Amino acid sequence: GENVGLHLPTLSVQEGDNSIINCAYSNSASDYFIWYKQESGKGPQFIIDIRSNMDKRQGQRVTVLLNKTVKHLSLQIAATQPGDSAVYFCAEKDFGNEKLTFGTGTRLTIIP
Amino acid sequence: DGGITQSPKYLFRKEGQNVTLSCEQNLNHDAMYWYRQDPGQGLRLIYYSQIVNDFQKGDIAEGYSVSREKKESFPLTVTSAQKNPTAFYLCATIRQGRDTIYFGEGSWLTVV
Repeated sequence: GENVGLHLPTLSVQEGDNSIINCAYSNSASDYFIWYKQESGKGPQFIIDIRSNMDKRQGQRVTVLLNKTVKHLSLQIAATQPGDSAVYFCAEKDFGNEKLTFGTGTRLTIIP
Repeated sequence: DGGITQSPKYLFRKEGQNVTLSCEQNLNHDAMYWYRQDPGQGLRLIYYSQIVNDFQKGDIAEGYSVSREKKESFPLTVTSAQKNPTAFYLCATIRQGRDTIYFGEGSWLTVV
């Protein structure tokens, strides 16, 4: 259904610290998950992805963890920088029908 | 350059009017998507299309219509039945069998 009126959860982190952003997904049939970063007024930017046959994947300063048992996804950003301030979305995809659904999102603010 | 072109960037609509947002891609991707984003909120799926001449409703299809007559084009019409159309609209594509999703720059629609 529609989520009109819900506002993004927020997370504030001191510059240089690590941050963890969490996401719960709903579809047990989803087999591919993606994290996106969105800056104000722009389209989402791909960060990192993970398939359902994995539980961890690392990129540059970012790590995605997948727990299929509880349908939970997390994004860890190491040594945060001011440029990391943005809204972060998780997305899930079901290869059975190509439907791509986004989570609510979290606004990350890096405190200098 | 290959990419996704959304137009117009900004659009003003009078109440009771239908408006059409354009999405064109030259990436030769099969799947195309339309999302709506309200200020401070996440992306909600309106419609998606896996192949030409076929499309499926997303989570908030009421008041919207689409067509997919060509692989390159997936226009979205916001009809007068959509009572609260003011939002940021994003078009996206994925190539069949691949995972990376590409987003357009988005279109801002305002009802005046």
